[in-house]
Amino acid sequence: EAQVTQNPRYLITVTGKKLTVTCSQNMNHEYMSWYRQDPGLGLRQIYYSMNVEVTDKGDVPEGYKVSRKEKRNFPLILESPSPNQTSLYFCASSLGFYNEQFFGPGTRLTVL
Amino acid sequence: GQQVMQIPQYQHVQEGEDFTTYCNSSTTLSNIQWYKQRPGGHPVFLIQLVKSGEVKKQKRLTFQFGEAKKNSSLHITATQTTDVGTYFCAGPRGSSNTGKLIFGQGTTLQVKP
Repeated sequence: EAQVTQNPRYLITVTGKKLTVTCSQNMNHEYMSWYRQDPGLGLRQIYYSMNVEVTDKGDVPEGYKVSRKEKRNFPLILESPSPNQTSLYFCASSLGFYNEQFFGPGTRLTVL
Repeated sequence: GQQVMQIPQYQHVQEGEDFTTYCNSSTTLSNIQWYKQRPGGHPVFLIQLVKSGEVKKQKRLTFQFGEAKKNSSLHITATQTTDVGTYFCAGPRGSSNTGKLIFGQGTTLQVKP
């Protein structure tokens, strides 16, 4: 089944404790992206990747890192999480930048 | 900077009534996509519009892209309870090949049976 998977789905952590949210797609998509969703603000792009080894900042990259060492995986790293990073996070992939995006199920992160 | 605004933010309708959400960009968009997110779910792609003045239909849903390619609308005829959710528009930010996408804040539709 073609899909985007994210892990974990739910995470409660404390300020400053490094964490990684994994994202994997099995559709051989070139484009991958991370978003955060907050009430009233819609989806805001954190980082994106046009292809392997190519990543770039979206609108809200502060406090986040990503890597794209393989085509299928695009992990989101929070080196030192803070409470303002409490949010619902979505990973998405698409064949190319202009194509429909397939979203993962989301990761709800709470930073205390 | 570039903004994409959606109105209204919320809409409550009686089942059977029509519904429209509007998406307005401060700059011209090369294309626009629409997504639907059910409560507790993830966004799901509905459609992409590319041409100026383009109109596309999917059953009870009608999508339009403005002549100036700065606005778009989604109209649902005779809403059903299955239409409940948040509808987002999205387009490329800045020049068309940057890889950056900007989403509107979304319109949340509630349908009373």
